[in-house]
Amino acid sequence: GEDVEQSLFLSVREGDSSVINCTYTDSSSTYLYWYKQEPGAGLQLLTYIFSNMDMKQDQRLTVLLNKKDKHLSLRIADTQTGDSAIYFCAESTNSNSGYALNFGKGTSLLVTP
Amino acid sequence: DAGVIQSPRHEVTEMGQEVTLRCKPISGHDYLFWYRQTMMRGLELLIYFNNNVPIDDSGMPEDRFSAKMPNASFSTLKIQPSEPRDSAVYFCASSSLVLRSGYTTSNTGELFFGEGSRLTVL
Repeated sequence: GEDVEQSLFLSVREGDSSVINCTYTDSSSTYLYWYKQEPGAGLQLLTYIFSNMDMKQDQRLTVLLNKKDKHLSLRIADTQTGDSAIYFCAESTNSNSGYALNFGKGTSLLVTP
Repeated sequence: DAGVIQSPRHEVTEMGQEVTLRCKPISGHDYLFWYRQTMMRGLELLIYFNNNVPIDDSGMPEDRFSAKMPNASFSTLKIQPSEPRDSAVYFCASSSLVLRSGYTTSNTGELFFGEGSRLTVL
């Protein structure tokens, strides 16, 4: 399938804000997602946004969606060392036969003290 | 629920050997996905099932790979014969989503992932 694009690495200092960007491909995606993967573990859903929304806020997390540009971002306020992980952007893809998620390659976030 | 359970967590094998990875999805979930994660290619969808039926296997790299889901609570991914380039972390995920274009749903389509099986082929 076509690629969901993300930058591969991001380094921030503890207490700063982190912004992870993503461009997706399927304009018909109903949901867009951010998953988090900690070392040695599987992916866990961090947050999601419905395609008819522009913004979603959940505690320290803010998701912005620009459907025109097919651009999704995740902002983490007051980033902590425990936020160090790989963050995956994903789009939902629909077909007559079924459904799947198309993931980006992931952005490795490193938070330094 | 214990979540998605995968086994083995780690496997080291020699080139040419058969490898079988196993997955138990969350009870009640009707979708099951197999993904492969490598540094170079990221997370790739290999195959997924709906109600035990394979829906899309276009991501399966070669005929050496096969996947089965004999019942709603068990799936296997088999590699025979294995090669060093198959070394990766293989994830199984399940979901209870029913999501179609043009439909609204309260289901967010979340995939629940297992902890993965790390395969090393020497």
